Amino acid sequence: GAGVSQSPSNKVTEKGKDVELRCDPISGHTALYWYRQSLGQGLEFLIYFQGNSAPDKSGLPSDRFSAERTGGSVSTLTIQRTQQEDSAVYLCASTPGGEFDEQFFGPGTRLTVL
Amino acid sequence: RKEVEQDPGPFNVPEGATVAFNCTYSNSASQSFFWYRQDCRKEPKLLMSVYSSGNEDGRFTAQLNRASQYISLLIRDSKLSDSATYLCVVIRWGKLQFGAGTQVVVTP
Repeated sequence: GAGVSQSPSNKVTEKGKDVELRCDPISGHTALYWYRQSLGQGLEFLIYFQGNSAPDKSGLPSDRFSAERTGGSVSTLTIQRTQQEDSAVYLCASTPGGEFDEQFFGPGTRLTVL
Repeated sequence: RKEVEQDPGPFNVPEGATVAFNCTYSNSASQSFFWYRQDCRKEPKLLMSVYSSGNEDGRFTAQLNRASQYISLLIRDSKLSDSATYLCVVIRWGKLQFGAGTQVVVTP
């Protein structure tokens, strides 16, 4: 079946612009995570959606970052007024249940801020 | 100090040899542990869970040492296709913490 998809695969933007990154989780998966991975670094947790519960936003690095999940499915991560340090690969993962389940990752969006 | 630490490597391993590496975690309340594999410029994929009693999946053996707060991964009879970065994941109270990964390079 279809896995997690993300779009765009690559995004180049200028400093100060806003960007939107999209994640389509596996159908029926209730949990959705966003991570950021910088070169040579581990995955940095950003935000976690579980069903209809309030999202866990504890990993968002600043108020320029926000995310929403509509209808319990598709999620959009928005970065406002992008900075060069925002350049990274943004990965989305979904799980059928919660944090103890296998994380199924999308291919990521490589964001470059010039 | 990071909550989850790994030796970044690279571990250069001749084909057919055994390689082992650890992942240390700082919080003793950590509950669950996993190893993920990430190929170059690809997304991570689950390799195996780590159980308290240790577990094996083919050529891969995972161990948990709660007293010393580390998990380990051992790869026997290394194949060229085992070349990847291995990420450990530690879960505590619903929070997932990924290590930065250990790079393994298997050479012919």
